Order: sequence, then C-alpha cells, then structure tokens
Amino acid sequence: EAAVTQSPRNKVAVTGGKVTLSCNQTNNHNNMYWYRQDTGHGLRLIHYSYGAGSTEKGDIPDGYKASRPSQENFSLILELATPSQTSVYFCASGDAGATQYFGPGTRLLVL
Amino acid sequence: GQQVQQSPASLVLQEGENAELQCNFSSTATRLQWFYQRPGGSLVSLLSNPSGTKHTGRLTSTTVTKERRGSLHISSSQITDSGTYLCAMAPGANTGKLTFGHGTILRVHP
Repeated sequence: EAAVTQSPRNKVAVTGGKVTLSCNQTNNHNNMYWYRQDTGHGLRLIHYSYGAGSTEKGDIPDGYKASRPSQENFSLILELATPSQTSVYFCASGDAGATQYFGPGTRLLVL
Repeated sequence: GQQVQQSPASLVLQEGENAELQCNFSSTATRLQWFYQRPGGSLVSLLSNPSGTKHTGRLTSTTVTKERRGSLHISSSQITDSGTYLCAMAPGANTGKLTFGHGTILRVHP
C-alpha cells in the first residue's frame, strides 16, 4: 500500500502571508499531484510533477507554486495567501496510467 | 476542458439493497478510477479500469470508453458503505492526470 503523508494537517494563515504545504511519499512513484477540494467544485488539480526537479501546471495553478526537490517530496507554496485559498488540500502519488494514492489532506484557513 | 458528470447526486438505501452509480465524461478517457471518501476523510481508491468490467468484493466497475460512460455497482449495501463516491477520468495515459466528478453521496440506513 502506498504511503503518502502531508504536513501540516491543519493550518491557519493570515492574508498576505506565505504558506508551505508538504507532502512525502515512500513508494517511489514518479508522479505526484496537488489538488484542492471545495464544496461545489469537487477536486481540482493545481500542480503536478513527473519526478525530481519537474513541476507542471494543472487546471488551477494561479496563486500557487510547487517544488519537487526529490522523488519523495513535493511541496505546494502559497507566496501571498488569500481567503479564497481556504480549502482542503490533497497530495497524491502514482505512476502514469496507474492508481493514484492520496494523503490525508491539509485543512487551510486563510483569515 | 474535460468534464465528469456523476449521478445521482445522492442516494439513500436500506441495508442490503444494491446501488448503481453512474459516471459520464465529455472527452476520450484512457481509464476511470473510482474513489471512496468519508466525511472529513481522505480518498481511498476502489477500482481503476480502462475498459470492461472489474470486480473487488461487493464492488463492480464497468467502463464503456467509446460511449464515455462508466458505472459502479455496490451489491448488498452495508451501513459502513455510507460516504461519497467519486469518479475520476484520465484523459491520457502519459500524465496520469485525473479529472474528478462532484461525487455521489450514499447513505445506507439499517
């Protein structure tokens, strides 16, 4: 079973502040993904990565950056957090064409 | 962009009844993946198949790619099956990207 962990699990941030969400996977998957889940919108892809050093824009990348320093780690960075970025963020890993495994999620509240 | 429509939006069953969840997508898909999510919980992968029928336990996933539709059948529902079922389609094999539907909320009563 793939193991995907996220930190922090809960975060309160102030508008204009910088937020970094971290994700770690231990199954040596090449691809990693960041989604956000909102009522009425479902899950939407923010950024993804094919491997260390690679980041790609997903469907809603504006206001977010991503970093993949290693095979195991994938971070999502909000340089200037806004209240509209209040959401639940999920990280996932999985090889192309195969099942994706999700982390437990991070609840972010931007005040 | 790609769209995934799930129906029904919600479903209430008596324990022991069967459920049929539908998923329709707007563009060519290489596979469908079904997930389960408890309120406040993470997503758990149930079944993933490019086409045809796949079984695991009481779950059966059927994907008809050329007709852009799929379904998840839950037999002999249990109270613990309650939660949200999400359908996701992969438009291409190379990226692994998924586009999600909004889900079907299932409630199973005793």
